[in-house]
Amino acid sequence: EPEVTQTPSHQVTQMGQEVILRCVPISNHLYFYWYRQILGQKVEFLVSFYNNEISEKSEIFDDQFSVERPDGLNFTLKIRSTKLEDSAMYFCASSWASASYEQYFGPGTRLTVT
Amino acid sequence: AQKVTQAQTEISVVEKEDVTLDCVYETRDTTYYLFWYKQPPSGELVFLIRRNSFDEQNEISGRYSWNFQKSTSSFNFTITASQVVDSAVYFCALSVTGRRALTFGSGTRLQVQP
Repeated sequence: EPEVTQTPSHQVTQMGQEVILRCVPISNHLYFYWYRQILGQKVEFLVSFYNNEISEKSEIFDDQFSVERPDGLNFTLKIRSTKLEDSAMYFCASSWASASYEQYFGPGTRLTVT
Repeated sequence: AQKVTQAQTEISVVEKEDVTLDCVYETRDTTYYLFWYKQPPSGELVFLIRRNSFDEQNEISGRYSWNFQKSTSSFNFTITASQVVDSAVYFCALSVTGRRALTFGSGTRLQVQP
């Protein structure tokens, strides 16, 4: 069964460093998403991406964040200058279509900022 | 704005007991979609079910059943004859037409004791 994959599973970085989280969505899906979950809290939407552009973003997704689909396979989330409060589990998701269709989530990348 | 409330923070049951997880949602949209996801201790988010606002039929899948009531804005999830493997955090989520984001509730942690 096709699945969303994410690398790395755990990333430790120092405050102020740039990180890139990588995802490979399910191959025939058209919509891609990033969510984050601070430890013990709810899952929060960051951004959605369709047709090579951002289609929606939340207030969390400020200028420090960017997304890209560099090669038609990977979907990446870049945090330019990490802060302590960026420590969270980051989930990538994909769906065949938008709101009406279920989103399939990857296993997550745990980001620890020290 | 959309909102999902899962008032039960944590539920503990003994194996073979039935358990119902509550979900109450708020939206002004007339077309919307409701979801349940399971997050086992390993951390991934597993899709369980999707329901659209025009389909109030209850659904049963094995030991799982869902009760959707528009009159009370609720989409409750019942596990019959619970098992230890059901131990997880369960999230209810909502999306609306025209938006990509899933709005998640805060989750209910279910502990099934042997």
